[in-house]
Amino acid sequence: AQSVAQPEDQVNVAEGNPLTVKCTYSVSGNPYLFWYVQYPNRGLQFLLKYITGDNLVKGSYGFEAEFNKSQTSFHLKKPSALVSDSALYFCAVRDIAGTYKYIFGTGTRLKVLA
Amino acid sequence: GAVVSQHPSRVICKSGTSVKIECRSLDFQATTMFWYRQFPKQSLMLMATSNEGSKATYEQGVEKDKFLINHASLTLSTLTVTSAHPEDSSFYICSARRQRGLEETQYFGPGTRLLVL
Repeated sequence: AQSVAQPEDQVNVAEGNPLTVKCTYSVSGNPYLFWYVQYPNRGLQFLLKYITGDNLVKGSYGFEAEFNKSQTSFHLKKPSALVSDSALYFCAVRDIAGTYKYIFGTGTRLKVLA
Repeated sequence: GAVVSQHPSRVICKSGTSVKIECRSLDFQATTMFWYRQFPKQSLMLMATSNEGSKATYEQGVEKDKFLINHASLTLSTLTVTSAHPEDSSFYICSARRQRGLEETQYFGPGTRLLVL
């Protein structure tokens, strides 16, 4: 079965420092991977996705993610964190072809400290 | 583009009543929409897949008679929580699947917070 794991419940980073939010996946076949961000009492906002092609995917708000097949990882990164980046981040993988269901990780709360 | 709305954003109801939540894709057509439930500080749990013009597909453990889903058009899906009880209180989020050629992405609504008294 497809799955994603987010090993960190919370990540703290100082404003201006680079940030990384980790995600590893387990899929059969080629993975379709996504990152979403959720602000309090809001739905999820799409950040970026990896389907195929370049391993470094650039997304919204300056975020990027690196697909690493050998390490089965898809870590979310940003060179310089902003306080406004503080939110809950979810990694997701699309289920087997035909269902289009997304399987979400448990989420990582990012706190950017001023 | 790719905007999904939900209505209402927040609803309080008495135990035993039914509540309808609407999910609309505003600028694209969605043959498939999804309904999720999110408990505090937890991830999203997929409840069901809503297919336009056909019956919804429910995940294991989700009562289809309690959570009625109707996907009557390419831009609207509704979730009705029937005979609501306090344990149904939760944050309900829908998503709509947009397909462009071979690429597809889900876009999420802002969520509906349901409180059953």
